[in-house]
Amino acid sequence: LAKTTQPISMDSYEGQEVNITCSHNNIATNDYITWYQQFPSQGPRFIIQGYKTKVTNEVASLFIPADRKSSTLSLPRVSLSDTAVYYCLVAPPEEGGFKTIFGAGTRLFVKA
Amino acid sequence: DAGVIQSPRHEVTEMGQEVTLRCKPISGHNSLFWYRQTMMRGLELLIYFNNNVPIDDSGMPEDRFSAKMPNASFSTLKIQPSEPRDSAVYFCASRGWQPNEQFFGPGTRLTVL
Repeated sequence: LAKTTQPISMDSYEGQEVNITCSHNNIATNDYITWYQQFPSQGPRFIIQGYKTKVTNEVASLFIPADRKSSTLSLPRVSLSDTAVYYCLVAPPEEGGFKTIFGAGTRLFVKA
Repeated sequence: DAGVIQSPRHEVTEMGQEVTLRCKPISGHNSLFWYRQTMMRGLELLIYFNNNVPIDDSGMPEDRFSAKMPNASFSTLKIQPSEPRDSAVYFCASRGWQPNEQFFGPGTRLTVL
């Protein structure tokens, strides 16, 4: 499984756009990039997933360059409730299940 | 849909006692995962099942841990005997329609005294 590297923590203010970058230099051809969000005392929650270029949903955007060795999760106009830990995962979409490796994640703290 | 259901939500027990954690995945999901989360080690995958069959249990810390999935709607994680270092939050997750999308339960906070 490809190893991922992300910043340990980030601070932001309400209303700002936040970009969290994840490095995955050893990503395999069939790997997808998936991001999860975890609030205190809750389980992780799937945010977004992509393979290449750009993916956007109602929560975030995911930017993936052509070489796929990194990805950037973009949260538009964050609020206090976006304070959470964000995990980047890289894994193949195997039907039989897969071994997920959650790293330390990025702890985002949004201030008023 | 009720989501992934875990019970109990909190468990306090004494060292040496048997602990059983329970999970009901989302109906129709074929894969089920058990995780453990601590401040020191983060979120660790213990075992996962596909179609009720254990696929990879290499994350199970030792023989004191065992997991079963007797049917598509129920799974247990058992620790026997429990030790203080087993204290953690244990999450169960089931996999949805997107290839890598997992739905996590609320977790069971286990404290072993």
